[in-house]
Amino acid sequence: LAKTTQPISMDSYEGQEVNITCSHNNIATNDYITWYQQFPSQGPRFIIQGYKTKVTNEVASLFIPADRKSSTLSLPRVSLSDTAVYYCLVGDRNSGYSTLTFGKGTMLLVSP
Amino acid sequence: GAVVSQHPSWVICKSGTSVKIECRSLDFQATTMFWYRQFPKQSLMLMATSNEGSKATYEQGVEKDKFLINHASLTLSTLTVTSAHPEDSSFYICSAQNSERSGIQYFGAGTRLSVL
Repeated sequence: LAKTTQPISMDSYEGQEVNITCSHNNIATNDYITWYQQFPSQGPRFIIQGYKTKVTNEVASLFIPADRKSSTLSLPRVSLSDTAVYYCLVGDRNSGYSTLTFGKGTMLLVSP
Repeated sequence: GAVVSQHPSWVICKSGTSVKIECRSLDFQATTMFWYRQFPKQSLMLMATSNEGSKATYEQGVEKDKFLINHASLTLSTLTVTSAHPEDSSFYICSAQNSERSGIQYFGAGTRLSVL
C-alpha cells in the first residue's frame, strides 16, 4: 500500500480557498486517491476520489499531476464547519479488499 | 445514498463483560465491511476486514478471540468485544464497501466504548 504524507495541520479563515497537498511517491498504477473528512467523535466521510488530472464535485476539487506522486484537495471558500481532519488515502480500488491505510491526516482549523 | 448505521453510539460496561457493536449498510449491499479503532488524537487503525459468509481477516496484533466479528448478511456485521478491560476503551468505527468495488468506504458514526 502506498504511503502518504500530509501536513499535520493548516490554518485558514472563513471564505478562503484551502489547498491540502498529499505526497504519495510510490503510488502504483492501479491505485486511486481518495480523501475523507472526519469531525471529532464521528466516522470519516467520503469527500472525493480521483485517478489523474482533475476531479470536481459539489464540495471539493482534486488535482492530480501527470506523475501522480502527489495530489491536492481544494476546498473553495471554507466555513467554520469545515474545521476537521482530512485524510488522503491511496489504494487499489479494484482489489478484493481495497483496504486503505489511514495516515495521520491534516487538521484544518478555520477561524472567523 | 450509501448510509451506514452503527449502534450503539456510546456504551459503558463493567470490566469482564462483553459488548456487541452492530454495523448495518442501510441502502446498499456490503460484501466487505471493515472495523477500525481510534484512540484520542490518533488516526484510524484497521482491526479487521469482514466478508459476508466467511471468517474475518484480522490485522497483525489484533486478537481474534477477543474481538469477535460476524458478517452474517450483506447488510450486517457485528463486533463483539469479549471480556472487556479498561484498555479496550476506545472509539470503534465500522465501514462498508459496496459490491461495485469503487474503493469508497462508507463509515458509521462510531461507537464510544468506556470500560470501567
